[in-house]
Amino acid sequence: QQQVKQSPQSLIVQKGGISIINCAYENTAFDYFPWYQQFPGKGPALLIAIRPDVSEKKEGRFTISFNKSAKQFSLHIMDSQPGDSATYFCAATDGETSGSRLTFGEGTQLTVNP
Amino acid sequence: AAGVIQSPRHLIKEKRETATLKCYPIPRHDTVYWYQQGPGQDPQFLISFYEKMQSDKGSIPDRFSAQQFSDYHSELNMSSLELGDSALYFCASSGIKNIQYFGAGTRLSVL
Repeated sequence: QQQVKQSPQSLIVQKGGISIINCAYENTAFDYFPWYQQFPGKGPALLIAIRPDVSEKKEGRFTISFNKSAKQFSLHIMDSQPGDSATYFCAATDGETSGSRLTFGEGTQLTVNP
Repeated sequence: AAGVIQSPRHLIKEKRETATLKCYPIPRHDTVYWYQQGPGQDPQFLISFYEKMQSDKGSIPDRFSAQQFSDYHSELNMSSLELGDSALYFCASSGIKNIQYFGAGTRLSVL
C-alpha cells in the first residue's frame, strides 16, 4: 500500500502556466517532506523541502504548501518552462533519524509545451 | 560541489551472475542509502547505513547484501541475479538531518 499518494500521474501545461502536484501521506511520524525532480536516466535531484512547522516555503519559482491537519502537501511551479519537463516525486521521511528511508509518491510526469 | 559518486554507471550481467555496485558519499556525509527504481516507477528503498551500522532495511532480497566501510563508501552486492533485478540502482547520502542527495545511478541489465 502506497503510504504517500501523489496526483496527477501526468500533467501537461503551457509555457508560463502554473503546474500543481499534490501529495497526501498517512504516517504521522513523517516530519520532513522533500520534492525531487528526475530527468530520464538521471538520479533524483532535491528540489525543495518543507518541515511541518511551516505552512509554505518558496524558493524561486517553486513553492511547497503544507497542510498538517489534512496530511497533504503540494508543489506549485510558477511560470512553468519547457526545461521543467521531468518527473516529479514527492517524498516523506522521519527527518530527525539518520538512515530513515524516503517513502516516495508514485511520481508525476510533467510536460511543459512551448 | 562534490556529489554522490556511483560506479559503474552501466552493468550488464547474465542470469545467476554476481554484481557489485559502489557508492561514494558526499564528503563528511556519514549515512548512505540504496534504492531500486524500475521503469516508470518510484524509487524503492533497499537498505541504509549510518556510521557503518545498518540503520533501516526495506524490501531487499536475501540475495543482496550491503555494507558501509570505514571511509563511509558503501557497496551493494547482488548474487544469483534474476531478470527482474534489471533496474536503476541509486545511492543517496546524508549528513546532518535526513536530507538525502542522490547519485546518478547504476543501470543494471540482467540478460
